Amino acid sequence: DAGITQSPRHKVTETGTPVTLRCHQTENHRYMYWYRQDPGHGLRLIHYSYGVKDTDKGEVSDGYSVSRSKTEDFLLTLESATSSQTSVYFCAISGQRSGNTIYFGEGSWLTVV
Amino acid sequence: GENVEQHPSTLSVQEGDSAVIKCTYSDSASNYFPWYKQELGKRPQLIIDIRSNVGEKKDQRIAVTLNKTAKHFSLHITETQPEDSAVYFCAASREGNMLTFGGGTRLMVKP
Repeated sequence: DAGITQSPRHKVTETGTPVTLRCHQTENHRYMYWYRQDPGHGLRLIHYSYGVKDTDKGEVSDGYSVSRSKTEDFLLTLESATSSQTSVYFCAISGQRSGNTIYFGEGSWLTVV
Repeated sequence: GENVEQHPSTLSVQEGDSAVIKCTYSDSASNYFPWYKQELGKRPQLIIDIRSNVGEKKDQRIAVTLNKTAKHFSLHITETQPEDSAVYFCAASREGNMLTFGGGTRLMVKP
């Protein structure tokens, strides 16, 4: 499983509330990613990080922010959740130890009502 | 940026038959092409990948072929089994850059 843990795994929240998803890795990989998966859209990159405090936007970053204060943790925050952000969120890692291959966490199912 | 198209979106085969999924990409500089398998409710998992310095790679019943001139690559599964039923994603990138995924293919293997 490449030592990736996501939390929470399932969450139901109300529109307008802030939500933070956490990704924790134990193998010191340099790169961490947040993807969302929706029917008909496959996997789309939200944000990624290439080191502590180094982050950048992906193709669907609007409405999301991220932080990486430690190598092992990458947080995804929805400042004010909307129903369009109902999705499955996957954290992923890559780096020299993974041969630059991307490995995914188990996913976080978020429902915004 | 890179754009990856994947076909078909659904594929139904009889157990024992072969299945082929095709992807095309737009960035001629892309040189890394992984395939992921995702079972229902689970994470995508890498099943095979290929880099642009080879045209074909095999791993037991799975093979991937790459045609850099035409900018397409394909996943071939032979002797399909019910446990091959899943959604398969192709992806492309320049080595070290962000992966761009295709839209996925739902493969159903009928016993």
